[in-house]
Amino acid sequence: EPEVTQTPSHQVTQMGQEVILRCVPISNHLYFYWYRQILGQKVEFLVSFYNNEISEKSEIFDDQFSVERPDGSNFTLKIRSTKLEDSAMYFCASSSVQETQYFGPGTRLLVL
Amino acid sequence: DAKTTQPPSMDCAEGRAANLPCNHSTISGNEYVYWYRQIHSQGPQYIIHGLKNNETNEMASLIITEDRKSSTLILPHATLRDTAVYYCIVRAYNNNDMRFGAGTRLTVKP
Repeated sequence: EPEVTQTPSHQVTQMGQEVILRCVPISNHLYFYWYRQILGQKVEFLVSFYNNEISEKSEIFDDQFSVERPDGSNFTLKIRSTKLEDSAMYFCASSSVQETQYFGPGTRLLVL
Repeated sequence: DAKTTQPPSMDCAEGRAANLPCNHSTISGNEYVYWYRQIHSQGPQYIIHGLKNNETNEMASLIITEDRKSSTLILPHATLRDTAVYYCIVRAYNNNDMRFGAGTRLTVKP
């Protein structure tokens, strides 16, 4: 069964450093999403991406964040200058139409 | 999107049916009911969704009341691996944002 994959599974970085989280969505999907979950809190929507542009973003998704689909398979989330409060699980999701979203296993980001 | 209300926690005996309720009294006509679960800190796993009719798949059944103001997710024979947080989400078809609440923490006990 096709699934969303994410790399790395864990990332530790120093405050102020840039990080790139990578995702490979399900191959025939057209809609891509990033969510995050701070430890002990709810899963929160960050951004959706379709047809090579952001279709919706939350207020969490500020200028520190950017997304890109650099090639036909990868979907990336970049955090430009990480802060302590960016420590969280980051989940990528994809869907074929704007319906059921399938989530990846997540990347645990720890900012020191 | 309509707000949902779920009990914070439930227990279920292994092998028995787990019935997880969800209230969504402000649901609109174009909003679907989705169920996901999250085991530990893994990615949310899609279970099932429906609009008006009851639905069944290999994982679960979804019963939606006739007025659509509430629903029940049924895991017919719960196993220890079904221990997870279960999220009921109401969402319009073209809404990009899956709004996760606190969910119900289901513990399946031997």
